Amino acid sequence: SAVISQKPSRDICQRGTSLTIQCQVDSQVTMMFWYRQQPGQSLTLIATANQGSEATYESGFVIDKFPISRPNLTFSTLTVSNMSPEDSSIYLCSVEVGLEQYFGPGTRLTVT
Amino acid sequence: GQQVMQIPQYQHVQEGEDFTTYCNSSTTLSNIQWYKQRPGGHPVFLIQLVKSGEVKKQKRLTFQFGEAKKNSSLHITATQTTDVGTYFCAGRSYGQNFVFGPGTRLSVLP
Repeated sequence: SAVISQKPSRDICQRGTSLTIQCQVDSQVTMMFWYRQQPGQSLTLIATANQGSEATYESGFVIDKFPISRPNLTFSTLTVSNMSPEDSSIYLCSVEVGLEQYFGPGTRLTVT
Repeated sequence: GQQVMQIPQYQHVQEGEDFTTYCNSSTTLSNIQWYKQRPGGHPVFLIQLVKSGEVKKQKRLTFQFGEAKKNSSLHITATQTTDVGTYFCAGRSYGQNFVFGPGTRLSVLP
């Protein structure tokens, strides 16, 4: 199993600013994922972050808007850049351990 | 690209009734996973199915993977108020990442 923590748990930000979300795992994992979930909606994969390589972004998400760092096997950050109200969402990191995927508690972002 | 659909979108049941949610993929899947998300919580992994026609049980929950590996179902017998939440399926095509379905929101009336 894996225990994941995220910081911050929530934030209210002004449009045009950037927010960096941190994800810490209690064990070393190869693959980490960043998802976005609008309230009451499903999860959409933003990117896959593997240590030692560039993040792989899904269609509709670009590195300039969502830069990701993966400095080691237990930590990753996602930055939401130049925010607009449309970026208001819950951002979750997850890891794959064996056949299972574990999610962090999420970061609730509100952009005003 | 791959699409994953779920029905129903919402289901209201009386406590003790059964509940089923269905998941359909536009492409053949290598495996499928099911998650439960309580209100205000994060998705929690329930199970993974890999084999065609596979059936797995967890207490009152029965998971099934279709013969063609394009659909799946989750059945809950005799629902309890603790079953409240949204149930997501997530399908993975060969060599791809998981794609989540829109979820089925279950409410259980005591």
